[in-house]
Amino acid sequence: AQRVTQPEKLLSVFKGAPVELKCNYSYSGSPELFWYVQYSRQRLQLLLRHISRESIKGFTADLNKGETSFHLKKPFAQEEDSAMYYCALSGRSYGNKLVFGAGTILRVKS
Amino acid sequence: DTGVSQNPRHKITKRGQNVTFRCDPISEHNRLYWYRQTLGQGPEFLTYFQNEAQLEKSRLLSDRFSAERPKGSFSTLEIQRTEQGDSAMYLCASSLEASNTEAFFGQGTRLTVV
Repeated sequence: AQRVTQPEKLLSVFKGAPVELKCNYSYSGSPELFWYVQYSRQRLQLLLRHISRESIKGFTADLNKGETSFHLKKPFAQEEDSAMYYCALSGRSYGNKLVFGAGTILRVKS
Repeated sequence: DTGVSQNPRHKITKRGQNVTFRCDPISEHNRLYWYRQTLGQGPEFLTYFQNEAQLEKSRLLSDRFSAERPKGSFSTLEIQRTEQGDSAMYLCASSLEASNTEAFFGQGTRLTVV
């Protein structure tokens, strides 16, 4: 069964501190992993995807198939990073539909 | 705004009434998805279309729910005989067919059944 687990509902850090949002998944096959972000009163939008191996807004995420994890990291948090973050997976054999985790609220305090 | 558009943004209805939501995807996107999101949860897949064909429906989509995408453009999601448990945010997303492509989301329709 496909499942995405985000163990933290809320992560609160101070500005300038490192951030790690955890994501673990279960999937039979080769999944495609994504991080979506929702800022206050805005629509859900893609932050990054594992296949791109890029850094967006200072965030990176590495797919660890051995640990079935796709944690989101940023070395120095900024106040504008405060948002809801969703980890999601999809696969070609499933019509590319997304399976989301429950989300983690990131709160960056000044 | 040339992104995914959903109407209405909010809908309050009495239990037992029927409601219909509309989604206008990004014009060149041939895939359209419906998701439902309840408080404290991530979006859950309901159904998706490739052009006008409905290719998959989740078990969450009871027989009171029906979705259409005539002519492969906009889509409608109808809920008949609404129940309080149907109260949720209904999200629409569209994408190109290629794998690993980005899904673009609308702002959602928030349904409240009283």
